[in-house]
Amino acid sequence: SYDLTQPLSVSVALGQTARITCGGDSIGSKNVHWYQQKPGQAPVLVICRDSHRPSGIPERFSGSNSGNTATLTISRAQAGDEADYYCQVWDSSTGVFGGGTKLTVL
Amino acid sequence: QVQLQESGPGLVKPSETLSLTCTVSGGSISNFYWSWIRQPPGKGLEWIGYIHYSGSTSYIPSLKSRVTMSVDMSKNQFSLRLSSVTAADTAMYYCARRYYTSGTYFFDYWGQGTLVTVSS
Repeated sequence: SYDLTQPLSVSVALGQTARITCGGDSIGSKNVHWYQQKPGQAPVLVICRDSHRPSGIPERFSGSNSGNTATLTISRAQAGDEADYYCQVWDSSTGVFGGGTKLTVL
Repeated sequence: QVQLQESGPGLVKPSETLSLTCTVSGGSISNFYWSWIRQPPGKGLEWIGYIHYSGSTSYIPSLKSRVTMSVDMSKNQFSLRLSSVTAADTAMYYCARRYYTSGTYFFDYWGQGTLVTVSS
């Protein structure tokens, strides 16, 4: 099975840039999607296809993917960005989620 | 705006079958794939499987022997059945639309989730 590795937690100062990584074997050859989940809420798609923002997602959210690491970058972090973030790929016809990263905005 | 709503019992006894339904509104169930995803309390997301409106399915290997998904186009609904449940199946269960574009799929619409507890 295909595994995705995320750091358990990432902290960022208010207004600074947060980077959340997602590691996987040759993940650069796959399309990576990112979801934000706030407490008590369903996940929300924030980045699809490595680096594309769905309608309504702020430009502060961006993504990249190369080699064995995909990265979600949140610029000018706001208190409202505090959430769990999950990366996701498809391995053949099987959906795979990373373990999730808790983003704390200090 | 597409909306999804899960429904079903919140409490299921061990060894019995968990049954959930997702009702889609604001759009047709046709021409899309639909997924179930679960999240045990305090843990991460786990993809369970998907079903196409035509009825074709794909399930996560670890649950394949216990999972059945179905579609009811007349009601714009799709369903999940998970048999022989144990406490490990206690989770928030989400339904979501699996959207295709540019060679890949992602989950663009999600239901609010329904908590299912397995306990006697």
